[in-house]
Amino acid sequence: QVHLVQSGPEVKKPGASVRIACKISGNTFSNFYIHWVRQTPRQGLEWMGVINPGDGKTNNAQNFRGRVTMTRDTSTNTVYMELSSLTDEDTAIYFCSRVVTISKGFDSWGQGTLVTVSS
Amino acid sequence: DIVLTQSPGALSLSPGEGATLSCRANQTVSSNYLAWYQQKPGQAPRLLIYTTSNRATGIPDRFSGSGSGTDFTLTITRLEPEDVAVYYCQQYSRAPITFGQGTRLDMK
Repeated sequence: QVHLVQSGPEVKKPGASVRIACKISGNTFSNFYIHWVRQTPRQGLEWMGVINPGDGKTNNAQNFRGRVTMTRDTSTNTVYMELSSLTDEDTAIYFCSRVVTISKGFDSWGQGTLVTVSS
Repeated sequence: DIVLTQSPGALSLSPGEGATLSCRANQTVSSNYLAWYQQKPGQAPRLLIYTTSNRATGIPDRFSGSGSGTDFTLTITRLEPEDVAVYYCQQYSRAPITFGQGTRLDMK
C-alpha cells in the first residue's frame, strides 16, 4: 500500500521561498505521477502542477508558472515542490497526491503541509 | 478553465436519509473525467468516485456517481454520522485540473 508523507509546517516571510517534501513509499517510484494541490479558505482546492518522478518532467498550472518548481530525488523516493516569491495569499495547506493513471483520479494523498506567510 | 459549481452549498440531513449532491461544469467534461472527494476536518481529501461513476477502492456502495457532459451527481444513501464532511467534485479532462467549491454535509 502506498504512503505519501509530507514534511512539516513552515513559517516564511513575504518574498521568501518554501520547499515541501513528499516521500513516497510502497510503490515503484516510476509508475505514477505526483500532483500538488493547495487549499485556502478563499480559493478552495487549487491544482498547482504535476511531476513524473520517472523522468522528472513537469507541467505547472498557468497561475503558478514561473514561481513553482517541482523536482524529484530517486535515491530517496521523494518529490519536492518549491514555491518562490511568497505573499500572504500563499498561506495554505499544500498536498501532494498520487495519480497512477489519470482516468482513475487522485487515489492517495499526503497528510498536508501548512505554510504560513507572515511578516 | 473549466469552472465547476456545486450545489447545494450545505445540507443538513438525518441519519438514514439520502443525499444528492450536484456538480455542474461550464464546459463539457470529456471522457467523463470527473471525480468526487470527501474531506473531513484536518484530513486530506479522499477519493470516492472516479470517471463519474466508478467507486474507489474500499468505498461502500452507499456512494454512487452519475452524469455526463456538464451535469454530474453524487448520491449517498442511508447516511451515517461518519459521512459528515465536505464533498468536492474535480474535473481532470482538461488542464488546468479544477475543483468545485464544495458541499458541506452535516447531520441533524
